[in-house]
Amino acid sequence: AQSVTQLDSQVPVFEEAPVELRCNYSSSVSVYLFWYVQYPNQGLQLLLKYLSGSTLVKGINGFEAEFNKSQTSFHLRKPSVHISDTAEYFCAVSRMDSNYQLIWGAGTKLIIKP
Amino acid sequence: GAGVSQSPSNKVTEKGKDVELRCDPISGHTALYWYRQSLGQGLEFLIYFQGNSAPDKSGLPSDRFSAERTGGSVSTLTIQRTQQEDSAVYLCASSSLGTGRNIQYFGAGTRLSVL
Repeated sequence: AQSVTQLDSQVPVFEEAPVELRCNYSSSVSVYLFWYVQYPNQGLQLLLKYLSGSTLVKGINGFEAEFNKSQTSFHLRKPSVHISDTAEYFCAVSRMDSNYQLIWGAGTKLIIKP
Repeated sequence: GAGVSQSPSNKVTEKGKDVELRCDPISGHTALYWYRQSLGQGLEFLIYFQGNSAPDKSGLPSDRFSAERTGGSVSTLTIQRTQQEDSAVYLCASSSLGTGRNIQYFGAGTRLSVL
């Protein structure tokens, strides 16, 4: 079975500062990895995904994430945050062997301080 | 349509009543998913439809929950005899293939409040 751990339920950061949102996963098989963002009162939107190839993945809105297989991590980073990045961020994994389910982390609220 | 559409956006009901939540997926998407998002929690998988295959109902929390998908498009999630613990945001997503590598597109959700 797979599981996803997002260690921080909330991350406060000043505007224009860098941010890292942590995600660790557990799986006995190879997985695909995703980050989704949920703005207030909206559904979830895909930020980026890792399927194969380069372990550094770039997504929308200046976010990027690095897949580290040895540490089973997929941390999300942005070098300089903006007030509009205030949202909840979810990490998710799915099995590579055709399983359709996404297993979700509990989410991290990114709070931007002016 | 342009995106996944869910209705109603908000639903307040009394304990013991039945509710129906609707999801209209992106046109042409064969896979449809229902999730439940409780306050401060991640997403809990409820049910998955793929084309004409039998749905995967493994995530439904009790027999009070059921879902159907008519004509391979619109889906309805029904909760019978609602309980206060059913209060949550119910999210629907669709994708074009329904495999683990496929992007799921989400609706804005239905916020259900059971009084």
